[in-house]
Amino acid sequence: AQRVTQPEKLLSVFKGAPVELKCNYSYSGSPELFWYVQYSRQRLQLLLRHISRESIKGFTADLNKGETSFHLKKPFAQEEDSAMYYCALKGRLGNFNKFYFGSGTKLNVKP
Amino acid sequence: EADIYQTPRYLVIGTGKKITLECSQTMGHDKMYWYQQDPGMELHLIHYSYGVNSTEKGDLSSESTVSRIRTEHFPLTLESARPSHTSQYLCASSPMTGGNEKLFFGSGTQLSVL
Repeated sequence: AQRVTQPEKLLSVFKGAPVELKCNYSYSGSPELFWYVQYSRQRLQLLLRHISRESIKGFTADLNKGETSFHLKKPFAQEEDSAMYYCALKGRLGNFNKFYFGSGTKLNVKP
Repeated sequence: EADIYQTPRYLVIGTGKKITLECSQTMGHDKMYWYQQDPGMELHLIHYSYGVNSTEKGDLSSESTVSRIRTEHFPLTLESARPSHTSQYLCASSPMTGGNEKLFFGSGTQLSVL
């Protein structure tokens, strides 16, 4: 069964410290992974996707098929990174692409 | 401006009332979705639509119903609200093209049933 697990509900770090938000998935096919972010009083929005292999706002994420992980990393956290982060997997449901979401990790970057 | 709109933003209502949560998008997307999210939990897909006159139930069983009479409009209705329906409801849309597909979300409706 398709599942996305984010083991940490809350992650607190100091400004300038490295941050890693964990995401593990289970999926029988070839997955496409995403990170979505929700800043305070804003809507959920796409942060990055693994197929783009891009760095957005200093964040990167590498798909590790052996460990079925897609952890989100940033070497130096900033206060404006404080938000809820959701890992998502896009899989097939018949002829339909369906998105499965984790329960989210709240990142709190302290000054 | 192309966007996805949800109204109301907050709704507090008594048990037994009929409610409709509105979702409209001006992005020209064919696919639309409704997700339900409880605090600290994952988003659960409750309804989706490929296009006009297409509606399907998602993974999470829901007593709500949806309709898709127009491409841009995907309202969700609860005929008789109950406290167990208290939750956040998120509407999303995406283009039909599979290769570059990603979800665009509305601001959500926080529903409280007393």
